[in-house]
Amino acid sequence: GENVEQHPSTLSVQEGDSAVIKCTYSDSASNYFPWYKQELGKGPQLIIDIRSNVGEKKDQRIAVTLNKTAKHFSLHITETQPEDSAVYFCAASTSNDYKLSFGAGTTVTVRA
Amino acid sequence: EAQVTQNPRYLITVTGKKLTVTCSQNMNHEYMSWYRQDPGLGLRQIYYSMNVEVTDKGDVPEGYKVSRKEKRNFPLILESPSPNQTSLYFCASGGSSYEQYFGPGTRLTVT
Repeated sequence: GENVEQHPSTLSVQEGDSAVIKCTYSDSASNYFPWYKQELGKGPQLIIDIRSNVGEKKDQRIAVTLNKTAKHFSLHITETQPEDSAVYFCAASTSNDYKLSFGAGTTVTVRA
Repeated sequence: EAQVTQNPRYLITVTGKKLTVTCSQNMNHEYMSWYRQDPGLGLRQIYYSMNVEVTDKGDVPEGYKVSRKEKRNFPLILESPSPNQTSLYFCASGGSSYEQYFGPGTRLTVT
C-alpha cells in the first residue's frame, strides 16, 4: 500500500518568515495530494490540494509543489502569522479511490 | 452550512460496554469514512463506504463495525471496546472531486 512520510515533525518559525513541509510517497499511481490543517480541538480542514497533472498550485499565502518523478510534494506558507500555528498533514490517494494515506503530521509554531 | 457532525464529542466508557458514535453529513456525499488519530501515527482509516449499503475495511478495522443505511449517516460501532481503542476518531465525507471533509472529532477513552 501507499506509504507517506512527512518532515519535519515540528517546525518553529518567526512571524513573517516562510514555512516549508515536505512529504514523500511510495505509490507511483497516487495522483491526488491534499494538505490538511488541524487546529487544537478541531477536525482536519482541507487547505489546498494538487493533482498530478500540475506541478504547482497557489492560494494566497499557501502553495503546494509536486515532483512526480521524485515522488515528493511540499507545502509552502509565506508571511506566516500566529493563526498559521497548527498541525499540518499531507496525504496521497489515487484517482477513482477516496482512500487517503496520511503523513504523521507537522506541528507548526509561529513565534510572534 | 455544509458540515459533518459527530456525536458524542467526548466519551469515557469501560471495557466491553457497547457504544456507537454517530456521524452525519449534509452535503449529499456518497463517500464516507472513519479514521482514528493517534500521536505520531497520523490518521488511519478504519472503514469506508462508497454508497448506501456499501462498506469496506480500511487499514485498521479490527474491533469496529459500521453501517450505511442512509446516505447522510455512517455510525461507528464498538461492540466490545478495549483500552487500545482509546483514541481520537474522525468521520469524513467525500465530494465528487475526491476532496474529503472532516467532522470535529470524538475523543474516546476506554478504561
